[in-house]
Amino acid sequence: AQSVTQLDSQVPVFEEAPVELRCNYSSSVSVYLFWYVQYPNQGLQLLLKYLSGSTLVESINGFEAEFNKSQTSFHLRKPSVHISDTAEYFCAVIEELSNTGNQFYFGTGTSLTVIP
Amino acid sequence: DGGITQSPKYLFRKEGQNVTLSCEQNLNHDAMYWYRQDPGQGLRLIYYSQIVNDFQKGDIAEGYSVSREKKESFPLTVTSAQKNPTAFYLCASSIRLAGGPYNEQFFGPGTRLTVL
Repeated sequence: AQSVTQLDSQVPVFEEAPVELRCNYSSSVSVYLFWYVQYPNQGLQLLLKYLSGSTLVESINGFEAEFNKSQTSFHLRKPSVHISDTAEYFCAVIEELSNTGNQFYFGTGTSLTVIP
Repeated sequence: DGGITQSPKYLFRKEGQNVTLSCEQNLNHDAMYWYRQDPGQGLRLIYYSQIVNDFQKGDIAEGYSVSREKKESFPLTVTSAQKNPTAFYLCASSIRLAGGPYNEQFFGPGTRLTVL
């Protein structure tokens, strides 16, 4: 089975500083990768995704993530964070040829806290 | 407005009672999912359904039951057999692109269940 590792459970960072949230997955087969954001007591919202093509994907609010097949990683970065970025971030993976249909594998989440 | 609705937002029940959580989507999505979220544990899959009248157990199905009588609806029943039901429950749906993998999952706002 697939596993997704988010090494940092909590990441505090000062406002306007850069941040990187790490995500590694275990599969050696082709995968599709996602980052979701969750604000308190809300559902998850898609932040960005990698399905194919350019390995660098960007979101509309300044986040970006790079798919690195050799390192099986999909780290999320932002060059300058805002207070409003404080939230829980989840990395997710789906295998391209999964025989379980559409089963997503989620990491345990990283809590990003932006300090004024 | 298309989306996924979950009701109620907050639910309180006495120990030993069954309770049903509602999930409705008007996105015309084929697949629907139920996740349980506990602090520090990320999302764990309870059940999923890829088509009407069919569903599969996820990683933590014990003590839960579901039905999929309509494409739009996927209710989850938390039975008295579930030993620790207090948690945040998230419903999601997704659609398969023609010739491709399933696309990202769309999440509802969640239901916080507290068993007293």
